[in-house]
Amino acid sequence: NAGVTQTPKFQVLKTGQSMTLQCAQDMNHEYMSWYRQDPGMGLRLIHYSVGAGITDQGEVPNGYNVSRSTTEDFPLRLLSAAPSQTSVYFCASSYSRQTYEQYFGPGTRLTVT
Amino acid sequence: GIQVEQSPPDLILQEGANSTLRCNFSDSVNNLQWFHQNPWGQLINLFYIPSGTKQNGRLSATTVATERYSLLYISSSQTTDSGVYFCAVDGGSGTYKYIFGTGTRLKVLA
Repeated sequence: NAGVTQTPKFQVLKTGQSMTLQCAQDMNHEYMSWYRQDPGMGLRLIHYSVGAGITDQGEVPNGYNVSRSTTEDFPLRLLSAAPSQTSVYFCASSYSRQTYEQYFGPGTRLTVT
Repeated sequence: GIQVEQSPPDLILQEGANSTLRCNFSDSVNNLQWFHQNPWGQLINLFYIPSGTKQNGRLSATTVATERYSLLYISSSQTTDSGVYFCAVDGGSGTYKYIFGTGTRLKVLA
C-alpha cells in the first residue's frame, strides 16, 4: 500500500491564482481530512469527509473548497490564493467505522506571493 | 470547543535521558492520538490511545480519560527522537473533528 499520497510537494502561487492540492489513499478509508500547519503551531482542520459525496467544514474552511466523488480521492481547491494561505497542507485518512486513528500524507508546502 | 494543552512547550535532553510529555484536554473524548513530527516535517503515528496504557519499544503512553489527560513517556532518548510531539483529540461526542495541541518541541543532544 502507498498509504496517503499528496501532490505536489511544493508549490508557489501568485495572489489570486487558483490551484488544486491532490490527496489519495489506497486503504479504503472512509474518513479523509485536510489540515494546515502554520509555523510553530499545531494542525488546524480545514475540511473533512466521512464518505464519498459527504463533506463538512472544519475550524478554518474559508477560502477552500472540497469535494469527494470517490473513496480514494479528496482534492482541496484554492479558488483565489491569498498570502494568508501560505502554509503546509496535510491530508489524512482513517477507517472511521471503528476508530478515527488517522494516517497522514507527506504534506504540500504552499507559498503565495 | 474542546481545548488541548501540551506541556512542556520545549524540552532539551541529553541522549539517554528519560522524559514525560503531558496532554490535557478540557472535555470527554472518544479518540486520542500521539504523533511525532520529525525534522523533515513528516507526521508519524505513535499511539492511538483513547484510554489505558500502550508500549512500543522505548515509548509508552497512558491516557486517564476520567481525569482528562494523557502522558507520553520516552525512555533512553536518542537524537532521532528530536522533533515535535503532538497530541490530538476528537472534538467531543458525535464529532469527526480532530483538535491538535500546539505540541512539545524536543531536542535530544548527542
